[in-house]
Amino acid sequence: NAGVTQTPKFQVLKTGQSMTLQCAQDMNHEYMSWYRQDPGMGLRLIHYSVGAGITDQGEVPNGYNVSRSTTEDFPLRLLSAAPSQTSVYFCASGVGSYNEQFFGPGTRLTVL
Amino acid sequence: GENVEQHPSTLSVQEGDSAVIKCTYSDSASNYFPWYKQELGKRPQLIIDIRSNVGEKKDQRIAVTLNKTAKHFSLHITETQPEDSAVYFCADLTGNQFYFGTGTSLTVIP
Repeated sequence: NAGVTQTPKFQVLKTGQSMTLQCAQDMNHEYMSWYRQDPGMGLRLIHYSVGAGITDQGEVPNGYNVSRSTTEDFPLRLLSAAPSQTSVYFCASGVGSYNEQFFGPGTRLTVL
Repeated sequence: GENVEQHPSTLSVQEGDSAVIKCTYSDSASNYFPWYKQELGKRPQLIIDIRSNVGEKKDQRIAVTLNKTAKHFSLHITETQPEDSAVYFCADLTGNQFYFGTGTSLTVIP
């Protein structure tokens, strides 16, 4: 099993550009989530999904969209990148929310 | 919304000593409390978790205690080793959302 994979590992964007961060898992996990990690602020939940076709907002959803068309994939879209979105982004998955979450390796995003 | 506070933000201990990290939460509906370890440049990894119907859980040198009345939970690491040096995050689950503390940077001095 590859576990949770994320692409790209690094990305530099200009303000106003859009992009999609990819996340995939091969463990048949129902629960998937996206976090951003900023220095001194821990991990903050952006969006999450409890199964294919179901998504919901987390703590900091503004400026991000998600979709969950399959169990395996949970892409995160930045609609119009802003410098405030410079961060490290982690995707995670678990059998359910009430279980261990497995994190991907992260994507380091810089918005200029 | 839910708020998880974590203390201390930094902790230095001598090898072999114990380390304790404390977290408080605000929502009485929180029902699952995991702890994650994150080494520099790596992804967070679960080290121990506890559910709301349990007061204490131990796994070798690591233990977690939960006081639901006071709304706080703590991570205890005994006989610390240099490889325990990392950032530790507490979290709680409220509904289907995880809320994380701001992290504790633990340094174990050989």
